[in-house]
Amino acid sequence: SQKIEQNSEALNIQEGKTATLTCNYTNYSPAYLQWYRQDPGRGPVFLLLIRENEKEKRKERLKVTFDTTLKQSLFHITASQPADSATYLCALENYGGATNKLIFGTGTLLAVQP
Amino acid sequence: SAVISQKPSRDICQRGTSLTIQCQVDSQVTMMFWYRQQPGQSLTLIATANQGSEATYESGFVIDKFPISRPNLTFSTLTVSNMSPEDSSIYLCSVPMSGQSEKLFFGSGTQLSVL
Repeated sequence: SQKIEQNSEALNIQEGKTATLTCNYTNYSPAYLQWYRQDPGRGPVFLLLIRENEKEKRKERLKVTFDTTLKQSLFHITASQPADSATYLCALENYGGATNKLIFGTGTLLAVQP
Repeated sequence: SAVISQKPSRDICQRGTSLTIQCQVDSQVTMMFWYRQQPGQSLTLIATANQGSEATYESGFVIDKFPISRPNLTFSTLTVSNMSPEDSSIYLCSVPMSGQSEKLFFGSGTQLSVL
């Protein structure tokens, strides 16, 4: 079955540094991969989508890479700020399902220290 | 962007009772999704609510336990029936973004605790 793995341990970094989060998947070849941000007590918020034919996607301080050979996506936040502290989720389309049915990883908690 | 209002935001319920969660969207959408997020777990899709037809449930979820209504294109309810402590979770509704259906908007969720 499809499996998505994200670092279960929290990532603590210093303000101004680059945060790098990892998403690995198995038993699947997704057409695209997404990243969401979730704050405590709130629903996830969409950040970026990267397709299988794209190596890299950028949005302001965010960068996502997608390596379909390694079955891995990396999510980078450059010049990190305390306001970036949140849980970050990766998501893939549900194989065999409708295009907009997603399966999610457990997320990685990022804590940016001032 | 869509604005999704979900009620209640949180509730504490007794074992054996039922709770109905409401999800209101500010625009008409064909599909609405209900997810569950158990403590320390990923979001798990419960079912897809389609207007005018029965909801489509994912493996491990059944209509008797999680009945869903979809009376129109802007509203849906999810009922958690005959609750047990294992149902303690965050329940989230979501809708696809208009014109970009791979991406989802989420409501703020309902934090349910069952005693």
